[in-house]
Amino acid sequence: AQSVTQPDIHITVSEGASLELRCNYSYGATPYLFWYVQSPGQGLQLLLKYFSGDTLVQGIKGFEAEFKRSQSSFNLRKPSVHWSDAAEYFCAVGADNTNAGKSTFGDGTTLTVKP
Amino acid sequence: DGGITQSPKYLFRKEGQNVTLSCEQNLNHDAMYWYRQDPGQGLRLIYYSQIVNDFQKGDIAEGYSVSREKKESFPLTVTSAQKNPTAFYLCASSKDSSLEQYFGPGTRLTVT
Repeated sequence: AQSVTQPDIHITVSEGASLELRCNYSYGATPYLFWYVQSPGQGLQLLLKYFSGDTLVQGIKGFEAEFKRSQSSFNLRKPSVHWSDAAEYFCAVGADNTNAGKSTFGDGTTLTVKP
Repeated sequence: DGGITQSPKYLFRKEGQNVTLSCEQNLNHDAMYWYRQDPGQGLRLIYYSQIVNDFQKGDIAEGYSVSREKKESFPLTVTSAQKNPTAFYLCASSKDSSLEQYFGPGTRLTVT
């Protein structure tokens, strides 16, 4: 069965510092991978996605993520964090035919940005 | 302007009452989902539907019911059998279950 692990429950970075949020997945084939962001009291918004091709994908708000098959990872990065990036971030893998149509989400990482 | 809407934003009910949360999408998506989110926790799947007139239980379906009579609509009923119904409820849709999901703004349900 597929699974997604986000090892860091909470990360604090200073404004202007770089950011990396970790995501590891377990999947039988080539996965479709996603990162979402959620501000408090809001729905989730898609930041970026990986289907195939170039393993470094660019997303909105200056985020990027790199797919590393050998490490089963899809880490999210941003070179310089802004205070408005404080939110919860979810990594997810799309459904495959072994998971009966269910995507799988990680438990999320809460990002705090220090001024 | 395509999107997914949930109403109302806030909902208050007395214990023992059933309540129905609305979810509508005009994205022409086949798949729709309901998630529950509790403070400090991730998303937990309640029900999902891959096509009209068909739906499956997610990980925490007990005390909830859904219908999918139209492609655009996937209402969730929180029944009196749900032991801890107070939570933030998110609806989502996707063109296909393997693809990205589009989320509504959520409904915060408080039961007292």
